[in-house]
This record gives sequence, structure tokens and C-alpha cells, in this order.
Amino acid sequence: NAGVTQTPKFRILKIGQSMTLQCAQDMNHNYMYWYRQDPGMGLKLIYYSVGAGITDKGEVPNGYNVSRSTTEDFPLRLELAAPSQTSVYFCASVDRVVLNQPQHFGDGTRLSIL
Amino acid sequence: QKEVEQDPGPLSVPEGAIVSLNCTYSNSAFQYFMWYRQYSRKGPELLMYTYSSGNKEDGRFTAQVDKSSKYISLFIRDSQPSDSATYLCAMSGGFQKLVFGTGTRLLVSP
Repeated sequence: NAGVTQTPKFRILKIGQSMTLQCAQDMNHNYMYWYRQDPGMGLKLIYYSVGAGITDKGEVPNGYNVSRSTTEDFPLRLELAAPSQTSVYFCASVDRVVLNQPQHFGDGTRLSIL
Repeated sequence: QKEVEQDPGPLSVPEGAIVSLNCTYSNSAFQYFMWYRQYSRKGPELLMYTYSSGNKEDGRFTAQVDKSSKYISLFIRDSQPSDSATYLCAMSGGFQKLVFGTGTRLLVSP
């Protein structure tokens, strides 16, 4: 059981380049989330999805786009990479919005933009 | 003012010590309170969760919530070197859109 799988684990981008961070879960979870974690800043919600075809903005959505065409996959797109997007990105999923269902996190993608 | 405040540490203790980790918050709508543990280069994993005020115990871990003071705590008894990690508090108003603290780095020395 793989849980939440994020690829790639590490990436270095040049300013202005674009890339897609991949997130896949094999638990048939409806809810999926993208967070970024900056040093000393905690995790901040970028985008989330409550099911295939449904996405919504979180706290820090600017500079990112998402899509959810299947239950399993929730890719995060950076169109024009900027140094401020250097961060560790985490994807998470949960089956239902109930207290005893914790969000399952992937191990993150470390992204540096130079 | 941040919605959730947490001392970043690091907090260094000897093995066997009792550890107290704390968060304060400003949003009175928060009802669900969680503690996550994050090892280096790994994603957060849920340790404890509570709803509203009160205490919850699970093995060496005890979570406390005081909604009147907007203050939550995580106690770790008989701390072990394997407890060395960053501990993140998180809370929500009930729809799983979590607001995280900055995390406290804990170092337990043998």
C-alpha cells in the first residue's frame, strides 16, 4: 500500500521555467490538498480538491494551478517559476471530513528556483 | 498576529524527561485540534487529535485543549531519542482545512 506518492523528490528550476509536481494516492480518498512548507513558517494550504473535477483555492494560491481529472491524481502546476516559490511541497489526502480520519501526507517535493 | 503561534525551539531534553509542547491560537471558531510529528525529510504524520476542550491520552502522549484560554499542549512522558522530530500543531473549524503552527523542533539526547 503506497499511500500518497509525490514525484519528483527534488528539483532545481530556473526562473521562468514551468513544471508539474505530481501527487497520486491509492486509498480512493475524495479530498486532496497541496501545502507548501517554508522554514519557520509551518504548512500553508495552496489548493485543495473535494473530488474529481472540483478544486478550490487555499491560503496561498497565486502562481499555482491545479487540476483533478481522476480521484487518484492531483498535480500542481507552476507556470512561471519565481524564487519565492522555493519551498518544500506536500500533498495530502483524506477519505472523509470526519475527525477520526487524519490527512495522509506524502514525503514532499523539495523545489529550488534559481 | 498569526492565527496559530508555536515556539520554533529547538527544545533540547535528556532521555526520560517530560516534554511540554504548546500552541496558542486566536480564532475562536477552531474546534478540532491535532498534533503532527515530522521527521527530517518526511511528511507530517498524525499523533493526536482532540475535539473541543479536554484531555486525551495515548501511551506516552497526552494532548490538552483549553478553549477558554485558546491554548493547546502536547505532553510526552519518558521521552526517547526516537521522539526527536518537529512537532506541528494544527487546527480547523471542522472542514479539514487545517491551519498549522510553525512547528517546534525537539531534540532528545541519550
